[in-house]
Amino acid sequence: EDQVTQSPEALRLQEGESSSLNCSYTVSGLRGLFWYRQDPGKGPEFLFTLYSAGEEKEKERLKATLTKKESFLHITAPKPEDSATYLCALTGTASKLTFGTGTRLQVTL
Amino acid sequence: DTGVSQDPRHKITKRGQNVTFRCDPISEHNRLYWYRQTLGQGPEFLTYFQNEAQLEKSRLLSDRFSAERPKGSFSTLEIQRTEQGDSAMYLCASSLISEYGTQYFGPGTRLTVL
Repeated sequence: EDQVTQSPEALRLQEGESSSLNCSYTVSGLRGLFWYRQDPGKGPEFLFTLYSAGEEKEKERLKATLTKKESFLHITAPKPEDSATYLCALTGTASKLTFGTGTRLQVTL
Repeated sequence: DTGVSQDPRHKITKRGQNVTFRCDPISEHNRLYWYRQTLGQGPEFLTYFQNEAQLEKSRLLSDRFSAERPKGSFSTLEIQRTEQGDSAMYLCASSLISEYGTQYFGPGTRLTVL
């Protein structure tokens, strides 16, 4: 069965303090690894799709990377508006997304 | 706005009542998914449609849950005889088959069962 584990559960950073969120996974036949951002009371907002080990994608202060067992979401010089829950998900042989429980990020001034 | 829309955004009901939620996907998307999310958890898959055909249902989906997508456009999710354990955020997502797996989510329907 496909599994996604995210760490840490919660992370508090000061503005400008860079860090990384981890997503480790087990799947038989990875088709895609996804990162979403979710604000309280809202649906997940799509950030990145990664398809193969070694792939990297960037958007503003965020960069996602993928290995054969893990994905990382690097946040460079975060701002308070980056505060949210970041969800990692994957698709294997099935079309559905399997999600982790997320990392709650708080960025303070 | 051409994103996924869901209605209603909030629903409060009493235990034992039936509720129905609607999802309108991005217009050119032929796949539509339903997920359920409880506090502190990631979304859990419930079911999905390709055009009007329901292709997969989760073991989580009890007989009290039914979903339809009659003309391959909007979808409805009905919960019969609601229970307090059904309280959750119900999320709809849509995708193209050609962009396999990139699912775009709606704002969700928050269900509270009293």
